[in-house]
Amino acid sequence: DAMVIQNPRYQVTQFGKPVTLSCSQTLNHNVMYWYQQKSSQAPKLLFHYYDKDFNNEADTPDNFQSRRPNTSFCFLDIRSPGLGDAAMYLCATSRVGGGRETQYFGPGTRLLVL
Amino acid sequence: RKEVEQDPGPFNVPEGATVAFNCTYSNSASQSFFWYRQDCRKEPKLLMSVYSSGNEDGRFTAQLNRASQYISLLIRDSKLSDSATYLCVVTMDSNYQLIWGAGTKLIIKP
Repeated sequence: DAMVIQNPRYQVTQFGKPVTLSCSQTLNHNVMYWYQQKSSQAPKLLFHYYDKDFNNEADTPDNFQSRRPNTSFCFLDIRSPGLGDAAMYLCATSRVGGGRETQYFGPGTRLLVL
Repeated sequence: RKEVEQDPGPFNVPEGATVAFNCTYSNSASQSFFWYRQDCRKEPKLLMSVYSSGNEDGRFTAQLNRASQYISLLIRDSKLSDSATYLCVVTMDSNYQLIWGAGTKLIIKP
């Protein structure tokens, strides 16, 4: 019973070709997050939504955008992927914000940029 | 100085041994602490929360030392299936953001 679903699991794109990663959740959680994780590094928060309120991290490149059309779905758009954007992209949810709340992660989408 | 620091390892440990990880954090106002486990090419999963009084879950024991600003994870009677990367996470209760360590890789050998 998957709770946080990410599609596709693997995505190959060409340098500069826009790509969209999707995330859906069955938990009815208010908060959804997108992380970027590169090999042997900690997950890096890109942005999060609290309900429909979008919160961008200060160091998230403009190349990365997000959409949350409803509670269940959230999308990560990479407008012009560069070689440095190759990474695992993790979606997570939590019931509400706040540090005590457990975040539940999807299986991730591994992005390869050629 | 990183906000959350961990020894990257890898720790190569024989099956059945006890292994301990430490993690230090820089913000003394941090309130909540967690250990996550991440298998190779998989997502992080919450292993356990860390409380001031310490907590134990089977073979796993987590401790918090606020004075010295470190948390620890002890794994007893290690199993092959414990092989993974263990990530230390610190948060402020009022803030959604998790501050992650880079993780410590553990390899259990038969």
